[in-house]
Amino acid sequence: EDQVTQSPEALRLQEGESSSLNCSYTVSGLRGLFWYRQDPGKGPEFLFTLYSAGEEKEKERLKATLTKKESFLHITAPKPEDSATYLCAVQEGNQGGSEKLVFGKGTKLTVNP
Amino acid sequence: EAGVVQSPRYKIIEKKQPVAFWCNPISGHNTLYWYRQNLGQGPELLIRYENEEAVDDSQLPKDRFSAERLKGVDSTLKIQPAELGDSAVYLCASSGQVNTEAFFGQGTRLTVV
Repeated sequence: EDQVTQSPEALRLQEGESSSLNCSYTVSGLRGLFWYRQDPGKGPEFLFTLYSAGEEKEKERLKATLTKKESFLHITAPKPEDSATYLCAVQEGNQGGSEKLVFGKGTKLTVNP
Repeated sequence: EAGVVQSPRYKIIEKKQPVAFWCNPISGHNTLYWYRQNLGQGPELLIRYENEEAVDDSQLPKDRFSAERLKGVDSTLKIQPAELGDSAVYLCASSGQVNTEAFFGQGTRLTVV
């Protein structure tokens, strides 16, 4: 069973058309939820960390929110340069202390001019 | 500040040949990760180091993969012998403390023919 599920797999938007990406997770104890942006041929670029339900963070046209079961990445009035794959990852906290990031498969966003 | 540096960027080898990847993390970062990313998938953890100690190598195929992090700074990941299924992007990441964001390098794209 996947611990991190992202939807949709792909999303096409017109420039200026706002939307949201979803990341649902199933972990026994969440230490942190991370959003990354990945451009083709490059490594993931860190965007946000969220630690507790109700937390929100913003950066330019992006806003990330967190509930107990999922996170949303809201994109307001996107531009073509926002086109990328957006990855969600969770870090689980448990007695064993495994600190790895478990990634979803990502959402490929395309913003047309 | 320099980011995570990986080399080489690309590598093409024949199956059964050995290959090695090198990573220099961000200065001062004690935690180092090696991830593997297959096409259309999110990164998957291979091994995590805290300083010189490999604290999570449960996903590392130990029959053919090995890693080391001498002096708690640079790290190398080796595959011997390589198989066709090893073709992927190998990503190195580092973080300053457990529970904080990981910063990724550009990755090494390995093609096994």
